[in-house]
Amino acid sequence: QKEVEQDPGPLSVPEGAIVSLNCTYSNSAFQYFMWYRQYSRKGPELLMYTYSSGNKEDGRFTAQVDKSSKYISLFIRDSQPSDSATYLCAMSEAGNNRKLIWGLGTSLGVNP
Amino acid sequence: DGGITQSPKYLFRKEGQNVTLSCEQNLNHDAMYWYRQDPGQGLRLIYYSQIVNDFQKGDIAEGYSVSREKKESFPLTVTSAQKNPTAFYLCASSMSETSLNEQFFGPGTRLTVL
Repeated sequence: QKEVEQDPGPLSVPEGAIVSLNCTYSNSAFQYFMWYRQYSRKGPELLMYTYSSGNKEDGRFTAQVDKSSKYISLFIRDSQPSDSATYLCAMSEAGNNRKLIWGLGTSLGVNP
Repeated sequence: DGGITQSPKYLFRKEGQNVTLSCEQNLNHDAMYWYRQDPGQGLRLIYYSQIVNDFQKGDIAEGYSVSREKKESFPLTVTSAQKNPTAFYLCASSMSETSLNEQFFGPGTRLTVL
């Protein structure tokens, strides 16, 4: 079993839809949780990060962490064609272990 | 503009040749990383460096070598010992003094072995 599981999709939604992207993990020591967006043939860019549990909102994006279920989510409201990309989750332990553990990424297409 | 640059964007290599990928950052970050990305396999860590003149192997270091002589630069050499080098290579950096391992990525180099 991988430490981080992420459904690769592809996921296809109409413009304006609410999108839910998810990752599950097995290591209860993970404390930092991140979402990256990667456009085709580009480097990933950091979208959101959260520490421990709870929600974080930034514009149309909301990141949610449920440590009891070992489950993280990224919600995209009012999705736009420009949101079409691959979304990668990443997480790490606290302290000196800085190694990020990555999900495989979910490919999202938003259709106009 | 602060950021990470990688060059070249596309690179072609004949089998049996070594090739070096460049990565430069002007973010004043202490830590730098090299990843390889293959379809369906996500990001895999090749090497990382938390300080000048020091680096550690990642999960798939075999067939690769790095150096960290300057804070700003972390070149990756793909040697002829790497059996399947065709991939998308990504360089990243982060600030070591914070606990949060927020990594910033360059645009990537696509290496093709002919």
